[in-house]
Amino acid sequence: EAGVAQSPRYKIIEKRQSVAFWCNPISGHATLYWYQQILGQGPKLLIQFQNNGVVDDSQLPKDRFSAERLKGVDSTLKIQPAKLEDSAVYLCASSLDMGFAPLHFGNGTRLTVT
Amino acid sequence: AQSVTQLDSQVPVFEEAPVELRCNYSSSVSVYLFWYVQYPNQGLQLLLKYLSGSTLVESINGFEAEFNKSQTSFHLRKPSVHISDTAEYFCAVGSASKIIFGSGTRLSIRP
Repeated sequence: EAGVAQSPRYKIIEKRQSVAFWCNPISGHATLYWYQQILGQGPKLLIQFQNNGVVDDSQLPKDRFSAERLKGVDSTLKIQPAKLEDSAVYLCASSLDMGFAPLHFGNGTRLTVT
Repeated sequence: AQSVTQLDSQVPVFEEAPVELRCNYSSSVSVYLFWYVQYPNQGLQLLLKYLSGSTLVESINGFEAEFNKSQTSFHLRKPSVHISDTAEYFCAVGSASKIIFGSGTRLSIRP
């Protein structure tokens, strides 16, 4: 089966600019996650979708981050405006269901904010 | 609320030596436990999981982990490591609705 696809792989922007990341999960996976992984830390959950509904966005900085999952398939994560501390790898993952089902990760987007 | 603690940020070992990567968790509900691995320049991938049943689970490349409910631990072990095991290892705990990751342990193998 095809894996989780993410684009772009790398992005360099200046602070206060905006950026968007795209994710296409594995076909049939109901649950989609966006994680932020800062260098030297574990992945931190930003937002979790079940089909096209939001399950958890408690750690999403909503003043600058937004995400949507149209038709319960692809998802986009946007940052506007970006800050220096947003420099990280943004990981998309999908799973068949919540909690017990293993996550399948994409290769991530490495964002550098200068 | 759930949390995961990986006590060691880095573990250096010699090739063919045994290794243990420690993971402790806290949760007020029943959990599922996972170890994920990130090899250099690759994405995160599942190494092994505990969902129910036998408390000892194994991976295809010789790692094993034991779920210890009384000590709320899920330590990862391998009796003899290989250079190819060089990677970062993440412990994760899942409940009915979410999965939370630890901060990771970087395993470096010395020849």
